[in-house]
Order: sequence, then structure tokens, then C-alpha cells
Amino acid sequence: DGGITQSPKYLFRKEGQNVTLSCEQNLNHDAMYWYRQDPGQGLRLIYYSQIVNDFQKGDIAEGYSVSREKKESFPLTVTSAQKNPTAFYLCASSIRPSHYNSPLHFGNGTRLTVT
Amino acid sequence: GQQVMQIPQYQHVQEGEDFTTYCNSSTTLSNIQWYKQRPGGHPVFLIQLVKSGEVKKQKRLTFQFGEAKKNSSLHITATQTTDVGTYFCAGPRTYNFNKFYFGSGTKLNVKP
Repeated sequence: DGGITQSPKYLFRKEGQNVTLSCEQNLNHDAMYWYRQDPGQGLRLIYYSQIVNDFQKGDIAEGYSVSREKKESFPLTVTSAQKNPTAFYLCASSIRPSHYNSPLHFGNGTRLTVT
Repeated sequence: GQQVMQIPQYQHVQEGEDFTTYCNSSTTLSNIQWYKQRPGGHPVFLIQLVKSGEVKKQKRLTFQFGEAKKNSSLHITATQTTDVGTYFCAGPRTYNFNKFYFGSGTKLNVKP
């Protein structure tokens, strides 16, 4: 079955450590996105990528980095520079970039806790 | 910050009552999408509205897109416990369509 796989589901890290969240899709979608969800604040866009080897900052990119070396993969690194990294991270993809009116398909998310 | 606002933030209803959530944008949206997130789950796409004044129905759910394409609503008739979750509106901007903005969501609780 096609879908988006995020791993791991839960992740615990010590403050000051970088951590990479995995996102893989086998939907053959062009665009991929990373969102952060905090209680009561909805989803905020961290980074997005419309095609391989290209990505753009979203609203809250500081302290995060991404790569898009393959169409299927869009890993997110939460660096030690991110001041408040504890959150629920959602990866999504769409068959085309959002301005072509295609819906987002989400992975199950990774809940990151940094202490 | 968030450019798409949703109200109310929370809604508690008795099963069988109706429910409505409203979404307002400060700028025109090229389209608007609605998603539902069950507790502990991930957002799932419900529907997309593209045309000004568009109305779409899915069983007990009615979705509307405003004439100015700056607001939208989701109405659920005769809620059921399976409707529990958070409902989000989302949409790209007409002038910066690369960014897909989500509303803050309305959390619906249905008492049996």
C-alpha cells in the first residue's frame, strides 16, 4: 500500500543533541512538507520541497535543516539551535505543489521529547 | 505567525446536536481544504473548495467557501461520537502559493 512512513513514532533526546526524523513516501509525490504541531497552535510549516534537490523555508525554519536528495525521502534534522524542540512533527506530501490544489497526505508523526 | 484563524477553539456538544467551525483568512485563498485529526492521530484530508461561494456536502458534513474566498465553514448535522477530533482548515495564498497555511483548529468533543 502507498503511504508516508515516519520513524520513529516516539523519540527522546538530551538537550544539545541533534536529531534526525525520517520521512519516506512511496506515493510518487513531487512535493513534501514538514509541519510542527504544538497544543492549541495548529500546524506550522517548517520546510517544504517541490522537487528533488530543492527546498524552501517555511514560517519556523530556524533551528531545523532538511535535505531532498531523493524524491521519496525528506529527512528533518532538529539541531541544538532549536530553542524549544519538544513537539509533534508531521511529514506530508502532495502529488503537486499546493498551488495546483492537491491535498496533503500525512504520515503518522514523530513525537519528539527533549530534556 | 498564523494567518488563518479558526473559531471556536473548542466545542463540546451532546450527541445529536449540530456543530459549526469557522475559518477566516486575512488574505484571499486560491482554495481551501479541510482536514480532520482524531485524538492521537494525524490530519486526514476531508474536502477541497475552489470556487467562490462553493458549497459541498459529505453526508452530514456541509462545507462552504465564502464569496470573497477569505472565509469558510464546516457544519456537521446531528453529531455522532465518531465526529470527535480536531478540524483544521488550510490553504495556500494566491500570491505565495508555495506556503500552505493551517488554521489553529477546532477541537470537537461529543458526549454520548
